[in-house]
Amino acid sequence: NAGVTQTPKFRVLKTGQSMTLLCAQDMNHEYMYWYRQDPGMGLRLIHYSVGEGTTAKGEVPDGYNVSRLKKQNFLLGLESAAPSQTSVYFCASSWVGQETQYFGPGTRLLVL
Amino acid sequence: TQLLEQSPQFLSIQEGENLTVYCNSSSVFSSLQWYRQEPGEGPVLLVTVVTGGEVKKLKRLTFQFGDARKDSSLHITAAQPGDTGLYLCAGAINDMRFGAGTRLTVKP
Repeated sequence: NAGVTQTPKFRVLKTGQSMTLLCAQDMNHEYMYWYRQDPGMGLRLIHYSVGEGTTAKGEVPDGYNVSRLKKQNFLLGLESAAPSQTSVYFCASSWVGQETQYFGPGTRLLVL
Repeated sequence: TQLLEQSPQFLSIQEGENLTVYCNSSSVFSSLQWYRQEPGEGPVLLVTVVTGGEVKKLKRLTFQFGDARKDSSLHITAAQPGDTGLYLCAGAINDMRFGAGTRLTVKP
């Protein structure tokens, strides 16, 4: 089992460009999450999903959109990237909410 | 303001020393988790505590959940260089909220 995988590992964008981060899990988990991690701020929840076809806003959702068309995939989109979105993005999954979350290796995004 | 405040933010000690890091909040949590994160990787769960006053041990690591379920501590006995990493606590209310972490360095 690969667990949770993220694509790409690293990306550089110019301000205003768009991109999609892909998260895939092979554990048949219902819940999936997108976090961003910034120095001194810890992990902050962007959006999450409690099942295929559902999404919900987390703590810092502005500037991001998500989709969960398939149970195993959770996509995070940036429509118009801003320097404030420079961060490390982590995807995670769990059987249900408040249970153990399994994290991917992260995507490092730099917006110039 | 963080929902979960972790202290200290940074800690550098010598191999063999003992240490305690703290996770505090004014909110009550149904459960609290501790994760360890190594550079370039995602966090990995160490333990989940659920009951107020609960103490769990994982080899040289001892985790305690406060009686009121608002705070937790992690004590490491005889720290080793392999314990180096970022220790994160996470509390469950409606969703999981993470603290900013304690970055521990254990020098040989």
